[in-house]
Amino acid sequence: RKEVEQDPGPFNVPEGATVAFNCTYSNSASQSFFWYRQDCRKEPKLLMSVYSSGNEDGRFTAQLNRASQYISLLIRDSKLSDSATYLCVVNAPSNTGKLIFGQGTTLQVKP
Amino acid sequence: EPEVTQTPSHQVTQMGQEVILRCVPISNHLYFYWYRQILGQKVEFLVSFYNNEISEKSEIFDDQFSVERPDGSNFTLKIRSTKLEDSAMYFCASKTSYSTDTQYFGPGTRLTVL
Repeated sequence: RKEVEQDPGPFNVPEGATVAFNCTYSNSASQSFFWYRQDCRKEPKLLMSVYSSGNEDGRFTAQLNRASQYISLLIRDSKLSDSATYLCVVNAPSNTGKLIFGQGTTLQVKP
Repeated sequence: EPEVTQTPSHQVTQMGQEVILRCVPISNHLYFYWYRQILGQKVEFLVSFYNNEISEKSEIFDDQFSVERPDGSNFTLKIRSTKLEDSAMYFCASKTSYSTDTQYFGPGTRLTVL
């Protein structure tokens, strides 16, 4: 089983749509979870951390289900500028802070 | 806002040559990382560095790779004898402390090995 698994997509949605991405992780000892955004040939940029209680930042909502080892990201009212690859990222349960990345889910928002 | 910088942005080299990729982490950060991303693939951890020594390295980080923090500001990744399969984007990242989760990534160096 892959350490962090995501549906690569692509997800093609119209502007204004709501879209959801899912991710599973294999190591139950992982403690920190993130969604990063990556534009083509650019560095990953932190979108939001993910907490068990769920968290929201504007149009973005992230959820974590530790029992199912499942992470989600919901984007409401999609904008053209949301087009990117969304990376599900988990910290490895070591004391070095290394991050384990999923393959990413590609979102294309169309006018 | 402080940011991680990397040079060069693109490096082209011949197979078998040595390359040094340079990073300047954010100034008060203490933990440093190198990741790489082969075109079309996921971002992969290479090495973590703290207190002037490697704290963890991946299977990818073999004897051909080394890291150094020579002067308290630069953080370098050296590949001694490049192979075609080393062609990738190399990202440097840093964070402030052990208890901090957020890593800040540099813009990357695209390495092309011919």
